[in-house]
Amino acid sequence: GQQVMQIPQYQHVQEGEDFTTYCNSSTTLSNIQWYKQRPGGHPVFLIQLVKSGEVKKQKRLTFQFGEAKKNSSLHITATQTTDVGTYFCAGGDYKLSFGAGTTVTVRA
Amino acid sequence: DTGVSQDPRHKITKRGQNVTFRCDPISEHNRLYWYRQTLGQGPEFLTYFQNEAQLEKSRLLSDRFSAERPKGSFSTLEIQRTEQGDSAMYLCASSPLQGGPLHFGNGTRLTVT
Repeated sequence: GQQVMQIPQYQHVQEGEDFTTYCNSSTTLSNIQWYKQRPGGHPVFLIQLVKSGEVKKQKRLTFQFGEAKKNSSLHITATQTTDVGTYFCAGGDYKLSFGAGTTVTVRA
Repeated sequence: DTGVSQDPRHKITKRGQNVTFRCDPISEHNRLYWYRQTLGQGPEFLTYFQNEAQLEKSRLLSDRFSAERPKGSFSTLEIQRTEQGDSAMYLCASSPLQGGPLHFGNGTRLTVT
């Protein structure tokens, strides 16, 4: 079955620095979605990418879908304490398969 | 938009007991999903409804798990003869579109002692 892998599992970032988290699928994806889960909270939808090579930005967050539609990345610039949480990628049609997430902590 | 509502928020039960959770999706959403999440992992798909029809159930789900959505509105997830390995956060999500964004509820945290 479809598997989605994320690296790194943990990301410790100095406030103000940039970082990138990566998502890889064993199969071609029709779309990729990204979610953020704050500590103690539930996953919240961030964005959906559908087209090969698509790049979307949300303020300091940049999302990219690979040309082969088997990988994706999330790049955050100038990290802030509000970025703390776990970022999940998920792929699939009607049934999303989630990665294990990248848990981000920020050093002030 | 009242969001997805789940009840109860927490459930502690003894091994062997049956438990039932309820999910009220966003009213316009005809697609409803149940996921399970354990510590350090992403949500794991359990089952999916379109209106009242249960369209898929994960092969990982044992026969002790059953879900219903009798009128295409709220849904219930029942676990019979609970085991310690069932301890997890059970998340419900709804969506208006196939393949569209999922709107998650706050979840029901189950602890089996």
